[in-house]
Amino acid sequence: KAGVTQTPRYLIKTRGQQVTLSCSPISGHRSVSWYQQTPGQGLQFLFEYFSETQRNKGNFPGRFSGRQFSNSRSEMNVSTLELGDSALYLCASSPRFVGDEQFFGPGTRLTVL
Amino acid sequence: AQTVTQSQPEMSVQEAETVTLSCTYDTSESDYYLFWYKQPPSRQMILVIRQEAYKQQNATENRFSVNFQKAAKSFSLKISDSQLGDAAMYFCAYRSAIFQGAQKLVFGQGTRLTINP
Repeated sequence: KAGVTQTPRYLIKTRGQQVTLSCSPISGHRSVSWYQQTPGQGLQFLFEYFSETQRNKGNFPGRFSGRQFSNSRSEMNVSTLELGDSALYLCASSPRFVGDEQFFGPGTRLTVL
Repeated sequence: AQTVTQSQPEMSVQEAETVTLSCTYDTSESDYYLFWYKQPPSRQMILVIRQEAYKQQNATENRFSVNFQKAAKSFSLKISDSQLGDAAMYFCAYRSAIFQGAQKLVFGQGTRLTINP
């Protein structure tokens, strides 16, 4: 069974632009979560989706948004990019919701110039 | 809000020896999960071990075991017979067992483990 895939793996953008990152969960998994990893702030929760509904959201500005499609694939969008948005963005999937192990993807490295 | 603290930014150990990584957490919940994740240079986050708070028995996975002290809110990871492939960043993480927060992991700052040959 294929693992969690994230595209693109690397991305370079300039300040003010917007970006969309994609996450394809393991086949059959319905829950997807997103995390931001930076050297300064560590790993921080962005949001989680289950059956196309956002179940929980972290403490990030409204520039960060996401969605989940009927096939469980998820996208996150960051508008009006700032230098501080440079980070590794990790996606994790799990079969259902409560209690299941989460499997992480390889991440998307975003650099904002 | 829950917090997770890893007080050791870096640790090193000789190959084949045993090392213990520390983690403490703060929560008002009685039911939750605790995890240790490993992140090698490839950045792929890999689950090492998992502990359910309602289970008194400490989890074990081959060379990896935990010391879970619920009253003290402590969750340490012991790696026995350390191998070069164990070198990585290790993160302790907390996850609530209630529905609303069921998939949100709260991570510690990480401990960088170096294995000396």
